[in-house]
Amino acid sequence: NAGVMQNPRHLVRRRGQEARLRCSPMKGHSHVYWYRQLPEEGLKFMVYLQKENIIDESGMPKERFSAEFPKEGPSILRIQQVVRGDSAAYFCASGPPEDTGELFFGEGSRLTVL
Amino acid sequence: DAKTTQPNSMESNEEEPVHLPCNHSTISGTDYIHWYRQLPSQGPEYVIHGLTSNVNNRMASLAIAEDRKSSTLILHRATLRDAAVYYCIRRRDSGGSNYKLTFGKGTLLTVNP
Repeated sequence: NAGVMQNPRHLVRRRGQEARLRCSPMKGHSHVYWYRQLPEEGLKFMVYLQKENIIDESGMPKERFSAEFPKEGPSILRIQQVVRGDSAAYFCASGPPEDTGELFFGEGSRLTVL
Repeated sequence: DAKTTQPNSMESNEEEPVHLPCNHSTISGTDYIHWYRQLPSQGPEYVIHGLTSNVNNRMASLAIAEDRKSSTLILHRATLRDAAVYYCIRRRDSGGSNYKLTFGKGTLLTVNP
């Protein structure tokens, strides 16, 4: 039973380019959460999605960031026109519909903006 | 705002018990206490959670104060693999299916050989 899979693990972009980060939840999980961890800081919630629906995007920056979780395929976090301040580790977590008290995190995607 | 308070860092020796404290003095009746840990360069990992009663699992024990304003994560025999940042999280029961977690700065645990 594979865990939460994130790719790419490392991504380098130049300022102004786009970054796409993918997350495949654990089998049977329909809830996906994205978090961002800036260097030397804690994890900050960004967005919570279910299949084809954004449920809570209270932590998403208002511009340049978007997320989706289509009916088929992985969840995608998209960052347009990246800036140096977007350099961070982006973690995805998944959970089942029922409350088991546990979220499963991937190993993260580390974005470096030059 | 995670609304929990933890020491920035703690140190332990290998094979000794470790008690990691957490204050959550403004906790409400339906808030769960969750603990996660993050090893270097990895994603967070679930450790344990509870509501009112003490809890045990294969990784750790969670002791919750009677007034629920504080809790302690207990690692019974620390190993070098337990060196990590430990996060104490108060998870609000929203009544829906949003189980998002609000992380604070956590406690950096160092384990000495």
